[in-house]
Amino acid sequence: GAVVSQHPSWVICKSGTSVKIECRSLDFQATTMFWYRQFPKQSLMLMATSNEGSKATYEQGVEKDKFLINHASLTLSTLTVTSAHPEDSSFYICSAPVYGEQFFGPGTRLTVL
Amino acid sequence: AQSVSQHNHHVILSEAASLELGCNYSYGGTVNLFWYVQYPGQHLQLLLKYFSGDPLVKGIKGFEAEFIKSKFSFNLRKPSVQWSDTAEYFCAVTLTGAAGNKLTFGGGTRVLVKP
Repeated sequence: GAVVSQHPSWVICKSGTSVKIECRSLDFQATTMFWYRQFPKQSLMLMATSNEGSKATYEQGVEKDKFLINHASLTLSTLTVTSAHPEDSSFYICSAPVYGEQFFGPGTRLTVL
Repeated sequence: AQSVSQHNHHVILSEAASLELGCNYSYGGTVNLFWYVQYPGQHLQLLLKYFSGDPLVKGIKGFEAEFIKSKFSFNLRKPSVQWSDTAEYFCAVTLTGAAGNKLTFGGGTRVLVKP
């Protein structure tokens, strides 16, 4: 099956700093990728749709200036959490579709101190 | 907006017991339906999916699900669980068509199988 990777798998940062998370499709091209966040013991919530060559589409309530998404190529999307605060601590997951089926990355655990 | 509800937040059962997890969605159009599993410390994996055809879908690891259109349901079943089935299970829906890749997840059900 299709493989999606994320880097880093975990990151700890100080409040106020920015953190970049990468999502890569390893053996296929993805014009669209999706970013989710998952709080402990909760479900995945879609944050935004990353579109190669155009602006990302954000879900209601997600601050686009805080969560910057760049889909630089057909195999790479990045999520940058700007000026991170402790409430941004979460598990961030990306996915990419192949023929209507989503393939998920392993997730990135962000802890903001 | 579409939504997905999973009735049970937590399920505890013993090995060899049968498992059924409920999932209902709210959308009047044509949907694609999925069940994902997340084992402790691991990423989401697809258990099974329904796009069209036979409403009884068989997935990996002995799981199956039945799509009942009239009830807007897609319940997951396994006749005899194992300790290794301890995980969190998510039902998810996408709309067919242009926005068909956008997944909406249910709240998840944590399943604990006691040895």
